[in-house]
Amino acid sequence: AQSVTQLGSHVSVSEGALVLLRCNYSSSVPPYLFWYVQYPNQGLQLLLKYTTGATLVKGINGFEAEFKKSETSFHLTKPSAHMSDAAEYFCAVRDRTGANSKLTFGKGITLSVRP
Amino acid sequence: GAGVSQSPSNKVTEKGKDVELRCDPISGHTALYWYRQSLGQGLEFLIYFQGNSAPDKSGLPSDRFSAERTGGSVSTLTIQRTQQEDSAVYLCASSLMGTGTDTQYFGPGTRLTVL
Repeated sequence: AQSVTQLGSHVSVSEGALVLLRCNYSSSVPPYLFWYVQYPNQGLQLLLKYTTGATLVKGINGFEAEFKKSETSFHLTKPSAHMSDAAEYFCAVRDRTGANSKLTFGKGITLSVRP
Repeated sequence: GAGVSQSPSNKVTEKGKDVELRCDPISGHTALYWYRQSLGQGLEFLIYFQGNSAPDKSGLPSDRFSAERTGGSVSTLTIQRTQQEDSAVYLCASSLMGTGTDTQYFGPGTRLTVL
């Protein structure tokens, strides 16, 4: 069974600082990889996804993530944090081989941005 | 166009009562998913509908939970004899084809509170 690990539950950065949110997956075959963001009292919004091809993926709002097969990782980064980035971030995976395209989510990380 | 909509946005019920939660997917999307988001368990898959195929019910936590999708569009998640541990946010998502690379678009969720 697939699993997703997001270390820590809360990250706090200063406005303008680098954002780094970590995600590691566990599966024998590299899955499809996703990052979603959830703002308070809203549903999840896709930031970016990796399916195939270039391993550095650019998403919305200046975020990007790099798939590293050797490290089984898909960390999310943004060079300069904005106050509006404060939200909860979820890493998710989907099996490449199964018929059910359900998402398996990590526990999520809450990002706070200090002025 | 319109996104995924869910109703009600909030539902408070008494232990032992039945509840119905509704999801309207994006028009033309053939795949529909239900997930549950709770403090203790994070985001969990519940059930998946794809076209006219039999639904994948592998994530339903007990036989008190059921779901149907009428006419390949609107879906209803029913919880019978609600328990306090059913309190959570129930999220619905839809995708165009239900393939592994498809993006799942999420609704705002229904917050269920069981007293």
